[in-house]
Amino acid sequence: KQEVTQIPAALSVPEGENLVLNCSFTDSAIYNLQWFRQDPGKGLTSLLLIQSSQREQTSGRLNASLDKSSGRSTLYIAASQPGDSATYLCAVRTRSGGSQGNLIFGKGTKLSVKP
Amino acid sequence: DAGVIQSPRHEVTEMGQEVTLRCKPISGHDYLFWYRQTMMRGLELLIYFNNNVPIDDSGMPEDRFSAKMPNASFSTLKIQPSEPRDSAVYFCASSLRGTGAYEQYFGPGTRLTVT
Repeated sequence: KQEVTQIPAALSVPEGENLVLNCSFTDSAIYNLQWFRQDPGKGLTSLLLIQSSQREQTSGRLNASLDKSSGRSTLYIAASQPGDSATYLCAVRTRSGGSQGNLIFGKGTKLSVKP
Repeated sequence: DAGVIQSPRHEVTEMGQEVTLRCKPISGHDYLFWYRQTMMRGLELLIYFNNNVPIDDSGMPEDRFSAKMPNASFSTLKIQPSEPRDSAVYFCASSLRGTGAYEQYFGPGTRLTVT
């Protein structure tokens, strides 16, 4: 059974710092991996999606990497800003015959960027 | 596009009452998902539909939960009778197979409180 773990559960950094959020998964047979952002009381916003054949994806100050063989992904945030404060969720899409598979979520890392 | 629309945004009800949550997916999307989010268990997939047909309902906790998708633009999740342990945030998401990535777009969620 696929399990997704995110460490740390919470992280507090000063503004301007570069940071890395970690995600690990137990079964490397994934279709793709998606990073989301969730603001308090809000829904999830998709940040980056990495296909299983890709190594990384970039969007602005965000860079996500994927190492399928080791079951790891990282989300790198450059020059962090207070507006980056949110909970970041990692989710993997499993492969299952005849369907697109399900998203299995980690419990997230709550990021706080202090001015 | 307005994105995924959910209603109501907040619902407070008494134990034993019937609760109906509603979702309108993004126009043209052919997959629809219902998730539940709690502090203890994180985000869990309850059920998903493809072209209005339920594909996997293995995440539905028990018979008190039911979901329907009568047409491509509307879905409901019903809890009857509701219990305090059903208190959670319920998210609806949709995706389009044609992108090849199955990237999911989430609604803002319905916060359910059962007293």
